[in-house]
Amino acid sequence: QVQLVQSGSELKKSGASVKVSCKASGYTFSSHAMNWVRQAPGQGLEWMGWIDTNTGNPTYAQGFRGRFVFSLDTSVSTAYLQITSLKAEDTAVYYCARDRSGSHFDYWGQGTLVTVSS
Amino acid sequence: QSALTQPASVSGSPGQSIAISCTGTSSDVGAYNYVSWYQQHPGKAPKLLIFDVSNRPSGVSDRFSGSKSGNTASLTISGLQAEDEADYYCSSYASSNTLLFGGGTKLTVL
Repeated sequence: QVQLVQSGSELKKSGASVKVSCKASGYTFSSHAMNWVRQAPGQGLEWMGWIDTNTGNPTYAQGFRGRFVFSLDTSVSTAYLQITSLKAEDTAVYYCARDRSGSHFDYWGQGTLVTVSS
Repeated sequence: QSALTQPASVSGSPGQSIAISCTGTSSDVGAYNYVSWYQQHPGKAPKLLIFDVSNRPSGVSDRFSGSKSGNTASLTISGLQAEDEADYYCSSYASSNTLLFGGGTKLTVL
């Protein structure tokens, strides 16, 4: 069965970096793009962008260009989200989500809470 | 690009039907038949309910249905049940391989 398993919660200081992993199993990793979605505490879902799992080419939504980096390790079917120069407003749950056909997400990771403290 | 517009909250009694609207523009909801709906219970990951306006993934109850007219999409839940109480989000493809989410709607089952 398809599973996306994300790394555990992180507590970081402002200015630090964090790398969240999303390990896929149960399907051919390169067959589906991977998306990242942010959910700040008590807020809605915000699409961050996606990465082509064939080419490694990332696309970032407005507001997520510069400090956010999507990457892959196809040898272990894992996608990564790295956030640099962390700010308090980056505190959120970050989800990876498998792209079914370029328009919707059929499987989601369990979410990773990143907390940024000053 | 702005988020899609959803009502902040809706409510209904068990057995009733409710509808949640999702309003976009002619550049997103109105331009493509790529509207999806997700259900999210507290502390859980979102779950896909509807894709491509009106299609249900395998395993999703047929009490959930989707439609679209112009720049507005709708999710209808019939035969409301207590377990339907959750947050609901719409999303739409918005050109150039970008995607928008709605602000979310909290459904309360009275």
